Amino acid sequence: GAVVSQHPSWVICKSGTSVKIECRSLDFQATTMFWYRQFPKQSLMLMATSNEGSKATYEQGVEKDKFLINHASLTLSTLTVTSAHPEDSSFYICSARSGGRDTGELFFGEGSRLTVL
Amino acid sequence: GQNIDQPTEMTATEGAIVQINCTYQTSGFNGLFWYQQHAGEAPTFLSYNVLDGLEEKGRFSSFLSRSKGYSYLLLKELQMKDSASYLCASMDSNYQLIWGAGTKLIIKP
Repeated sequence: GAVVSQHPSWVICKSGTSVKIECRSLDFQATTMFWYRQFPKQSLMLMATSNEGSKATYEQGVEKDKFLINHASLTLSTLTVTSAHPEDSSFYICSARSGGRDTGELFFGEGSRLTVL
Repeated sequence: GQNIDQPTEMTATEGAIVQINCTYQTSGFNGLFWYQQHAGEAPTFLSYNVLDGLEEKGRFSSFLSRSKGYSYLLLKELQMKDSASYLCASMDSNYQLIWGAGTKLIIKP
């Protein structure tokens, strides 16, 4: 299947700093990528839909000024957690759709575990 | 509202068969997905059903009944490595995935 790579896998940062997470589709072009957050023992929560060349669409309750998403190319989307705080500590996962929207198959990155001290 | 229901936890024996059920209510319907997620890892795609009936893929099969808003994932010849959470997700009319909370499957020797 298609490959989506996410980096970094683990990141520890101090409160107040910003952290950037990259999501790359390695062998296909993805016009749409999705960013999710998962707290322990809970399901994935969609944060935003990232569209190449345009602004991301954020889900209700997700602060767009805190979680900056940039989808500058067909193979790269980035999520920047600005002024991170301990409550932002979570598992962040990206996914990309391969093929037309009707097929719907999503490929996920490996995930990035963020710990804010 | 939109809602996905699946059992929180199930236990089965190695070599046996287990069926994980999922019921859904979404605004429009564009397919039902099953994902497997091992602890600390990202989910991996298992199956996609958009038409009624059973889709078989090796040891795993997935069934869909659109009229009943119901799906199940059937795992045969269970192996210890099948211990994981299984996530059911429905795609709504906006092509957005609505996720269930996941079913933790525990396999015992």
